[in-house]
Amino acid sequence: GQQLNQSPQSMFIQEGEDVSMNCTSSSIFNTWLWYKQDPGEGPVLLIALYKAGELTSNGRLTAQFGITRKDSFLNISASIPSDVGIYFCAGLPGGGGFKTIFGAGTRLFVKA
Amino acid sequence: GAGVSQSPRYKVAKRGQDVALRCDPISGHVSLFWYQQALGQGPEFLTYFQNEAQLDKSGLPSDRFFAERPEGSVSTLKIQRTQQEDSAVYLCASSLEARIGDTQYFGPGTRLTVL
Repeated sequence: GQQLNQSPQSMFIQEGEDVSMNCTSSSIFNTWLWYKQDPGEGPVLLIALYKAGELTSNGRLTAQFGITRKDSFLNISASIPSDVGIYFCAGLPGGGGFKTIFGAGTRLFVKA
Repeated sequence: GAGVSQSPRYKVAKRGQDVALRCDPISGHVSLFWYQQALGQGPEFLTYFQNEAQLDKSGLPSDRFFAERPEGSVSTLKIQRTQQEDSAVYLCASSLEARIGDTQYFGPGTRLTVL
């Protein structure tokens, strides 16, 4: 089936550092989504991308929809302790339908 | 509250028991999704409802899994004859419209442990 390969699996960084994570697929996706999940909670949408090449920011977060429609990245600038959590990429494959595919997540640890 | 709620938050079942997990979506939301999240993994799509119609159930892992949304609001995910591999967090999400890519709002999940 369709899969998203998300990397890195985990990151240990110092407060104030910038973070970059990405997601790739062997097939085309029409929509790319980035979520954050805190322990004991459901994922919360951070950024949604709908067009190839689209670059969108949400505060310190920036994400891009790759031109090939097979990849996306998320950058976090000037990380703070509350950025700790699991970040998931997700996408809706080409061909329509409401089925959302999630990556395995990037676990971010921020040291103050 | 105004968010998606799920109950129970935690469920322990003996292997072979039937369980029912409830989702209360945000009022007025047309779309409802169920996901299964195994430990250390991302959510995996199970099924999708548009109002009371189940339009996609391709992610249900076996015929032991059944979901319904009879009045187009509250939904129940039922698992019959639970197995240990069913242990996971079951997440429900709703979105306002029946539009692909519409923002999904997730509930906190039900953590199912099958002994």
